[in-house]
Amino acid sequence: AQTVTQSQPEMSVQEAETVTLSCTYDTSESNYYLFWYKQPPSRQMILVIRQEAYKQQNATENRFSVNFQKAAKSFSLKISDSQLGDTAMYFCAFTPPHMYSGGGADGLTFGKGTHLIIQP
Amino acid sequence: DTEVTQTPKHLVMGMTNKKSLKCEQHMGHRAMYWYKQKAKKPPELMFVYSYEKLSINESVPSRFSPECPNSSLLNLHLHALQPEDSALYLCASSQEGGNYGYTFGSGTRLTVV
Repeated sequence: AQTVTQSQPEMSVQEAETVTLSCTYDTSESNYYLFWYKQPPSRQMILVIRQEAYKQQNATENRFSVNFQKAAKSFSLKISDSQLGDTAMYFCAFTPPHMYSGGGADGLTFGKGTHLIIQP
Repeated sequence: DTEVTQTPKHLVMGMTNKKSLKCEQHMGHRAMYWYKQKAKKPPELMFVYSYEKLSINESVPSRFSPECPNSSLLNLHLHALQPEDSALYLCASSQEGGNYGYTFGSGTRLTVV
């Protein structure tokens, strides 16, 4: 079974600063997928960024980037030039791969989340 | 259409009521999921449907009954719920396996009185 650990229950930074959210995970799989999801007060879970474990290159999406360290089983999220709209719960999540048709799905394993507050 | 639509957004029900939650997607995804989320906690997986067949039931009490009538629709039938079942119920869908990410609906806020 997989586990995902987020050790920062809450973080607060000033607008325009850079912030890094930590995530570690444990799995015996050699290939898998990692995600960061954002959940603002509106409750909608929004996919922020996705990383494939067999790709060494760190994923980036505009102001969001990850530092993926496979050997250390670490997957941190960096938010640059933070904005008020970035205030939300951030969840790190894991899913194993399914490469064949009809193979079913496992769902996501989530960490406990980090509540990020961007101060004006 | 890149959305997962959940109805209703809010639901209050008594412990003897029967109600249903509905989830719909038109992205051609073949896997659909129900999650339960309590306040300030991560979502917990309840059920997974893959190709319209139930593939995972995470030991959910029988007062929750899922149904997948077709590849676009997922229902969760509720009966004889307890106050501790009050939570946000999230539906999600993915291409099979979820390798490319999961698309979530905005949830149904359920209150059992």
